[in-house]
Amino acid sequence: GDSVTQMEGPVTLSEEAFLTINCTYTATGYPSLFWYVQYPGEGLQLLLKATKADDKGSNKGFEATYRKETTSFHLEKGSVQVSDSAVYFCALFSGGSNYKLTFGKGTLLTVNP
Amino acid sequence: DGGITQSPKYLFRKEGQNVTLSCEQNLNHDAMYWYRQDPGQGLRLIYYSQIVNDFQKGDIAEGYSVSREKKESFPLTVTSAQKNPTAFYLCASSPSRRTGTDTQYFGPGTRLTVL
Repeated sequence: GDSVTQMEGPVTLSEEAFLTINCTYTATGYPSLFWYVQYPGEGLQLLLKATKADDKGSNKGFEATYRKETTSFHLEKGSVQVSDSAVYFCALFSGGSNYKLTFGKGTLLTVNP
Repeated sequence: DGGITQSPKYLFRKEGQNVTLSCEQNLNHDAMYWYRQDPGQGLRLIYYSQIVNDFQKGDIAEGYSVSREKKESFPLTVTSAQKNPTAFYLCASSPSRRTGTDTQYFGPGTRLTVL
């Protein structure tokens, strides 16, 4: 079955540090890939997505590239801010008759001033 | 403003009671979903509906029930058969039945605590 593996947190960084959160997946076919962000006490918001190999999703300074050869979709940001503190979820959708997203377990990011 | 609303934000239930969580969307989306979130476990799909009057079980449907009588509404009932109902419940919707590339939009969630 489909699965998503994220690097385990928590991740703690200082403001303006470089961020990488690793995400790898297992899926049949050609999945679409997503990063969602969850701020404390809130629902999930879509951060970025990529629908085919070599696509790069980007938003608010975050980027992730769909790498089919390594089955990865790592999230990066060049300079994090305190306001980026949240839980980040990698997710995939691989089509077929089961219309659902498969989520990773989430990575808690804390950015200190 | 278009979006997904969930109510209540916090809900307390005594053991043995059924409770219904509300989810409403005004995005004109066909598909709606219910997820359960537990610490360290990510999100797990409870039920989903691709169209009015139709719904399917997700990965953890036991102890839950849903209905989809209107396009805008997808309420979730947590029954007394659910052994460990304390969790954060998230409702989501997406534009069409084919969600291969369609984004799912999430509500703010309901935190259910069983006393």
